[in-house]
Amino acid sequence: DAGITQSPRHKVTETGTPVTLRCHQTENHRYMYWYRQDPGHGLRLIHYSYGVKDTDKGEVSDGYSVSRSKTEDFLLTLESATSSQTSVYFCAISESGTSGRNVETQYFGPGTRLLVL
Amino acid sequence: AQSVTQPDIHITVSEGASLELRCNYSYGATPYLFWYVQSPGQGLQLLLKYFSGDTLVQGIKGFEAEFKRSQSSFNLRKPSVHWSDAAEYFCAAGSSNTGKLIFGQGTTLQVKP
Repeated sequence: DAGITQSPRHKVTETGTPVTLRCHQTENHRYMYWYRQDPGHGLRLIHYSYGVKDTDKGEVSDGYSVSRSKTEDFLLTLESATSSQTSVYFCAISESGTSGRNVETQYFGPGTRLLVL
Repeated sequence: AQSVTQPDIHITVSEGASLELRCNYSYGATPYLFWYVQSPGQGLQLLLKYFSGDTLVQGIKGFEAEFKRSQSSFNLRKPSVHWSDAAEYFCAAGSSNTGKLIFGQGTTLQVKP
């Protein structure tokens, strides 16, 4: 299994409070991703990173920010949590590609279950 | 717009029966294609992937998938299902430049004894 941990694994918070989720990898992979999983929607990309301090938005980035100051850590912040952000959040990593590919397969962490009351 | 569709939300099969899970994609170019499996409360585990070459790809746990460009499909198959295969299955299409994945809605597989 890829060396990916997420913390916390479970969190309950109140509307309007800031929340930060952490993804930590031990694989030294260049690419890191944050997804949210909701019933009926599969997984949707929030933000991703293609290197230290290099990040970009995904399809559902509103209300979220990210930071990556070290290769191994990718932080997802909900500046002011809302009930619509209740979800399961997954981090994924992938390494740089070979044979003409920029990126290889993504491997996923165990997830963080967030409940916003 | 790019999209991945899994037409079947739930599928129930008997143990020992064959299985086919459908996946269709809409993408500007031929994407990289993946199948992942998720057991309850767990993360996603990669079953198999298609980047190029042979259109029939083999994965773990006895699964295989066939890429059909003319049908924009990447269906997952298994000849004989085991009770431990009960899980949710996700098809995904990805960019070779950024690695960004688009997921289907998922198919929940139930296995009857």
